Amino acid sequence: DSGVTQTPKHLITATGQRVTLRCSPRSGDLSVYWYQQSLDQGLQFLIQYYNGEERAKGNILERFSAQQFPDLHSELNLSSLELGDSALYFCASSLEGGNSPLHFGNGTRLTVT
Amino acid sequence: ELKVEQNPLFLSMQEGKNYTIYCNYSTTSDRLYWYRQDPGKSLESLFVLLSNGAVKQEGRLMASLDTKARLSTLHITAAVHDLSATYFCAVDIRNYGQNFVFGPGTRLSVLP
Repeated sequence: DSGVTQTPKHLITATGQRVTLRCSPRSGDLSVYWYQQSLDQGLQFLIQYYNGEERAKGNILERFSAQQFPDLHSELNLSSLELGDSALYFCASSLEGGNSPLHFGNGTRLTVT
Repeated sequence: ELKVEQNPLFLSMQEGKNYTIYCNYSTTSDRLYWYRQDPGKSLESLFVLLSNGAVKQEGRLMASLDTKARLSTLHITAAVHDLSATYFCAVDIRNYGQNFVFGPGTRLSVLP
């Protein structure tokens, strides 16, 4: 158990809808990262937050947004969903400034129909 | 832009055989991690390599890092079926104001 909690585990929704994925980092970790993993795209970095502030942005679509709250949990909002958004979405956390790897949650499997 | 390559991308091997997976990266970093992912599951941290010449071993897996060559290897000794998974390397460039960059993954299948 990595200590990173993601909910929900599975999400099935229709095109055009909006969903929110939630992540609680490991105790003590201030950084939260979001990744998308689809079959043909590998592991794609979306966005990172550190202690409530956006730290880095990757290949995140404008339809997607995220935030990190004062209690350090993070939410990834996906809107105007398309079939191609179907993927596994992972949250990971780490210590910042230390020689610490990312610790991944179990992911949310999103299916857009 | 940092690029991380893995070779091979697909590997099918017999039980009992040895093999090496290579991870090359294109910029300076002295921190590299290896992860394992079973199908549909999360990524599990295997090795943390934090300096040039670092070598870590766990069971039948051994990882090493050569920062001058910008190369890490994951060596598999006497493979068993339970090692079947996808292995990712990830280069840590947070010291350079950036982030983690993952390789494309090597899908390993160990056949009985």
